Amino acid sequence: EIVLTQSPGTLSLSPGERATLSCRASQSVSSSYLAWYQQKPGQAPRLLIYGASSRATGIPDRFSGSGSGTDFTLTISRLEPEDFAVYYCQQYGSSPRWTFGQGTKVEIK
Amino acid sequence: EVQLVESGGGLVQPGGSLRLSCAASGFTFSSYEMNWVRQAPGKGLEWVSYISSSGSTIYYADSVKGRFTISRDNAKNSLYLQMNSLRAEDTAVYYCARVGAPGCSGGSCYYYYMDVWGKGTTVTVSS
Repeated sequence: EIVLTQSPGTLSLSPGERATLSCRASQSVSSSYLAWYQQKPGQAPRLLIYGASSRATGIPDRFSGSGSGTDFTLTISRLEPEDFAVYYCQQYGSSPRWTFGQGTKVEIK
Repeated sequence: EVQLVESGGGLVQPGGSLRLSCAASGFTFSSYEMNWVRQAPGKGLEWVSYISSSGSTIYYADSVKGRFTISRDNAKNSLYLQMNSLRAEDTAVYYCARVGAPGCSGGSCYYYYMDVWGKGTTVTVSS
């Protein structure tokens, strides 16, 4: 089973700052199978990034994804007030088929 | 508008059963693979089950295998999750999610992401 470990657990930043979120896999993951989601309190997750670096429809270009192998990164270039949320990475594998990281909370400093 | 709407959640005693439904609209449901994903209170996301577009291929997380059954009715644009032998640890918000269409662009390919999510339905297992 591939385990995804996200760091940091919580990121305290101010609006306008840059956020860098890490997702590390316990073994190599295909970039094609790596996605990122945003979840706000009381809401369903929303797809941000798929295929490690492709932005989903309607996602602002301040969100970008990168990485390969075991290390993947979600970057928010300049935080807007609506970006404060929990972010999850997700990969597809053999068993279980889909796994998620434990999440990184981006909170207002 | 592309939409998924879950229903069927509620309070059930340990050992009981519940059937969740997910109504799809705004897209050709029969062309898409679907997932159920759950989130226990205050916890992260956990994948539960997958079904292919035709229903011929099904996967389960080990935590629910043998207790939960996923199915779909393409004529009714609906996805289901039959949950039996429920346990306290099954308490969660259950989301249905569409598996996005695979593809390649600019030399990169992408598969197995979830591009549309419902708002979720809450299942509470407690005596």
